[in-house]
Amino acid sequence: EDQVTQSPEALRLQEGESSSLNCSYTVSGLRGLFWYRQDPGKGPEFLFTLYSAGEEKEKERLKATLTKKESFLHITAPKPEDSATYLCAVQANGALTFGSGTRLQVQP
Amino acid sequence: GAGVSQTPSNKVTEKGKYVELRCDPISGHTALYWYRQSLGQGPEFLIYFQGTGAADDSGLPNDRFFAVRPEGSVSTLKIQRTERGDSAVYLCASSQGMRETQYFGPGTRLLVL
Repeated sequence: EDQVTQSPEALRLQEGESSSLNCSYTVSGLRGLFWYRQDPGKGPEFLFTLYSAGEEKEKERLKATLTKKESFLHITAPKPEDSATYLCAVQANGALTFGSGTRLQVQP
Repeated sequence: GAGVSQTPSNKVTEKGKYVELRCDPISGHTALYWYRQSLGQGPEFLIYFQGTGAADDSGLPNDRFFAVRPEGSVSTLKIQRTERGDSAVYLCASSQGMRETQYFGPGTRLLVL
């Protein structure tokens, strides 16, 4: 059974204080690892897809990396508008298996 | 272009009633997915369609839940004899193909009283 565990459950940062979110996974035949951002009352918004160990992708203050057992979402110099829940998901066939997310709060 | 849309945005019903939730995918997307999200949790897979057929319905919790996609575009999730435990946000996503990036709609918030 595919499993995804995210840590920490919640993270509070000061504006400009860089940090990393962790996503550990077990899956039979990884097709892709996905990061989404979810704001309260909205659907998940796609950020990145990673396909193989060693791959990295960047977008503004966010950088996602992938190893054979985990992925990290690095947030550099965050701003208050980066506050959201960040979801990690793995795909073996069609469906995504999600973790419970990390709730990030960035204070000014 | 237009994203995934879902209607209604909110639905309040009474225990035992029947409800239908609608999803309009991104135009041209052949794959469509339904997920359910409880407070503080990540989305949980229910069913997905490739074209008109259900390719995988292994996430449907029981036979009160049913989904259709008769013309390969719009999909309807149907819940019979609703229970209070069905209260959740029901999310729809679509993708260009089965293993492509899934784009989510805003969800339907279902409350069963």
